[in-house]
Amino acid sequence: EAGVAQSPRYKIIEKRQSVAFWCNPISGHATLYWYQQILGQGPKLLIQFQNNGVVDDSQLPKDRFSAERLKGVDSTLKIQPAKLEDSAVYLCASSLGARIYEQYFGPGTRLTVT
Amino acid sequence: RKEVEQDPGPFNVPEGATVAFNCTYSNSASQSFFWYRQDCRKEPKLLMSVYSSGNEDGRFTAQLNRASQYISLLIRDSKLSDSATYLCVVTFDSYNAGNMLTFGGGTRLMVKP
Repeated sequence: EAGVAQSPRYKIIEKRQSVAFWCNPISGHATLYWYQQILGQGPKLLIQFQNNGVVDDSQLPKDRFSAERLKGVDSTLKIQPAKLEDSAVYLCASSLGARIYEQYFGPGTRLTVT
Repeated sequence: RKEVEQDPGPFNVPEGATVAFNCTYSNSASQSFFWYRQDCRKEPKLLMSVYSSGNEDGRFTAQLNRASQYISLLIRDSKLSDSATYLCVVTFDSYNAGNMLTFGGGTRLMVKP
């Protein structure tokens, strides 16, 4: 079974530039999560989708971050404009349902903002 | 106060040792609990769920203490391959926000020969 796919794996941008990350969850998984993991910390949930609807985006900095999950499958996370403190690994995860808590993570996108 | 707290470590132990980690959570209404393992520069992977009655999987034992609001992970007969960061996850069902998952900061374990 194919796992969660993410791209790109690495991205280096300058502050104030824009960047987008893409995630393709495991086939059939209704719930999709985006996390930010700063070095030395645990993952912080940014946004959770159930199919194509947002369940929780309380920790998403909405002035610069946006995410969508059109058609309830793939998802994109965008940062515009980026700040130095956005340097982190952005992890996408999926699960069968909102109350099925085993999450499968993708390899992540390592973002460096200079 | 953080919602989910872990001692960051590192815990340096020799092979064969027994080591235990605790994780405390602040929301008494938390409902589900898990331990994830994250290898260096890799993604987290589910290690085990934590049930009220406790559960064991080989050398790993997880316990939940709702009264004191902590969960624990015990690793017996440590192997070099157990070296990783162990993340605890706590979930809470919110009526208007769905189920909310919170990761702890992780505890780093280093098993030495």
